[in-house]
Amino acid sequence: GDSVTQMEGPVTLSEEACLTINCTYTATGYPSLFWYVQYPGEGLQLLLKATKADDKGSNKGFEATYRKETTSFHLEKGSVQVSDSAVYFCALSDRAGGSYIPTFGRGTSLIVHP
Amino acid sequence: GAGVSQTPSNKVTEKGKYVELRCDPISGHTALYWYRQSLGQGPEFLIYFQGTGAADDSGLPNDRFFAVRPEGSVSTLKIQRTERGDSAVYLCASSLALAGQTNNEQFFGPGTRLTVL
Repeated sequence: GDSVTQMEGPVTLSEEACLTINCTYTATGYPSLFWYVQYPGEGLQLLLKATKADDKGSNKGFEATYRKETTSFHLEKGSVQVSDSAVYFCALSDRAGGSYIPTFGRGTSLIVHP
Repeated sequence: GAGVSQTPSNKVTEKGKYVELRCDPISGHTALYWYRQSLGQGPEFLIYFQGTGAADDSGLPNDRFFAVRPEGSVSTLKIQRTERGDSAVYLCASSLALAGQTNNEQFFGPGTRLTVL
């Protein structure tokens, strides 16, 4: 079945450092890929998405490129802020499968120190 | 513009009891989803409604779990004979578009934290 693997956290960085959170996936069809963010005490929010190979999703300075050849969707940001501290979830939605329900990774906690 | 709301925010119950968790989706959203999130894990799909009907309930772990959405808006997740292993955060999400469409962004509520003693 479909699955998503994320790097283990927590990831601890100083403000203005460069961020990469790795995400790889397995899917039977041609999935859409997503990054969700969960700030402390809040619900999950869609951060960015990409629907086909080589698409780049971007939002709030974060980017992720859909790499079909490496089945990856790594999240990157050039300069993190304290306010980016949150849990980040990679997810896929497989359009070719019988169900289009998202499959989520386990989440990666990001802690940014001033 | 209210988002998805869930009540209660916290629920503590004893093993064997019955609980109901409520979800109010964004007005006009036809699709509604329930997930369960255990500590250190991502959300795990339980059930999905399109309107009043359950379009996919393949994620419900067993027959102690049941959900309804009688008028196509508010949904209630019901858990009978609760067990300690049911302790988790239960998340609800709603979306405007049909599943399978590329623009099926889901909007999540803050969740209900269920603790079974």
